[in-house]
Amino acid sequence: ETGVTQSPTHLIKTRGQQVTLRCSSQSGHNTVSWYQQALGQGPQFIFQYYREEENGRGNFPPRFSGLQFPNYSSELNVNALELDDSALYLCASSWSGRNQPQHFGDGTRLSIL
Amino acid sequence: GQQLNQSPQSMFIQEGEDVSMNCTSSSIFNTWLWYKQDPGEGPVLLIALYKAGELTSNGRLTAQFGITRKDSFLNISASIPSDVGIYFCAGLRLITGNQFYFGTGTSLTVIP
Repeated sequence: ETGVTQSPTHLIKTRGQQVTLRCSSQSGHNTVSWYQQALGQGPQFIFQYYREEENGRGNFPPRFSGLQFPNYSSELNVNALELDDSALYLCASSWSGRNQPQHFGDGTRLSIL
Repeated sequence: GQQLNQSPQSMFIQEGEDVSMNCTSSSIFNTWLWYKQDPGEGPVLLIALYKAGELTSNGRLTAQFGITRKDSFLNISASIPSDVGIYFCAGLRLITGNQFYFGTGTSLTVIP
């Protein structure tokens, strides 16, 4: 069974730039959720994708957007990067069903200069 | 957003001791999950709970879904050095959608 994989592992960007983060879901999982984890905090829900459509969104501005592909993999795009966007971005996959446990990848560490 | 309060914030214990931590909220939750996160890695699922009063074990770990549905507890028996890490609770409220809300974390240090 292949777990959740994320790329890249680390990324450095400057303010105003755009970034794309990628996630491959665990084998058989069709739902992908993205989280932002600031240093010393718990993960904060950004949004979830199911059947290639956004299926719930947390309190994040529209410059955070995503995609899900037919193979269930997903992308997180962030435009107009701000210093506060520096964080660990985590992807989690699960079976469909709202209370299914989510399995996380090791994240992408994004640093904004 | 929903607030999940975890306590204690940090713990320093001797190897072999038992550990208890909890997660509380002012809102009712339908599902509770417990995760462990090591530095530089993503959270790893430890235990999932679905019913009020449910008690579930995973090796030396035992977690309970509180009767009020507003809290959950995690116990670790006979701690070992590899138990070191940050433990997070996560709760789902079906009424508010698909997102899991995460607690603030409990940092555990085990002294050999």
